[in-house]
Amino acid sequence: KAGVTQTPRYLIKTRGQQVTLSCSPISGHRSVSWYQQTPGQGLQFLFEYFSETQRNKGNFPGRFSGRQFSNSRSEMNVSTLELGDSALYLCASKRDRGKIGETQYFGPGTRLLVL
Amino acid sequence: KQEVTQIPAALSVPEGENLVLNCSFTDSAIYNLQWFRQDPGKGLTSLLLIQSSQREQTSGRLNASLDKSSGRSTLYIAASQPGDSATYLCAVRPEETSGSRLTFGEGTQLTVNP
Repeated sequence: KAGVTQTPRYLIKTRGQQVTLSCSPISGHRSVSWYQQTPGQGLQFLFEYFSETQRNKGNFPGRFSGRQFSNSRSEMNVSTLELGDSALYLCASKRDRGKIGETQYFGPGTRLLVL
Repeated sequence: KQEVTQIPAALSVPEGENLVLNCSFTDSAIYNLQWFRQDPGKGLTSLLLIQSSQREQTSGRLNASLDKSSGRSTLYIAASQPGDSATYLCAVRPEETSGSRLTFGEGTQLTVNP
């Protein structure tokens, strides 16, 4: 069974540009979450999508947005990139939202470098 | 606001040693707590998940305990091996309605020397 896949794995952009990252969850998983990981702030929750609807949002500016498609694949977009957006962006999926004891499965991440 | 702290930030031990990693959280009203492992440049792998009603979980050489009232969890690794070298992260799910939203600690970077 294939794991969570993220594309691209590495990305270099310049300030002011925008970027779109993609995440394909494990087959049958309907919940997709995004996290940002930086050396200074650690892992921080961005947002969660379930059944094409955003269910939870972290404390990030509106430049960070996302969406989920009917096949549960998800994209996140960052507009007007800033140097501080350089990070490892991790996607995680799980089958359902509320099932007791269910864990999230993380992808390998997309490493974004903003110059 | 929930805050999660992990001590120590880094740990270096010789192979074969038993070790304990610590995690503390400020709000005891959690739904569950998870321990993850992260290898350099890679995603996270879930090791153990403890529901708020449970006291501990075991998997192989790993044992995680949870004391909700004191806001603490420990991850015990028995007979450590070089392959255990990684960053270990503790994460709490604040409440049932928080869905997949986890609050992470900064992690403990473990090095097991052969």
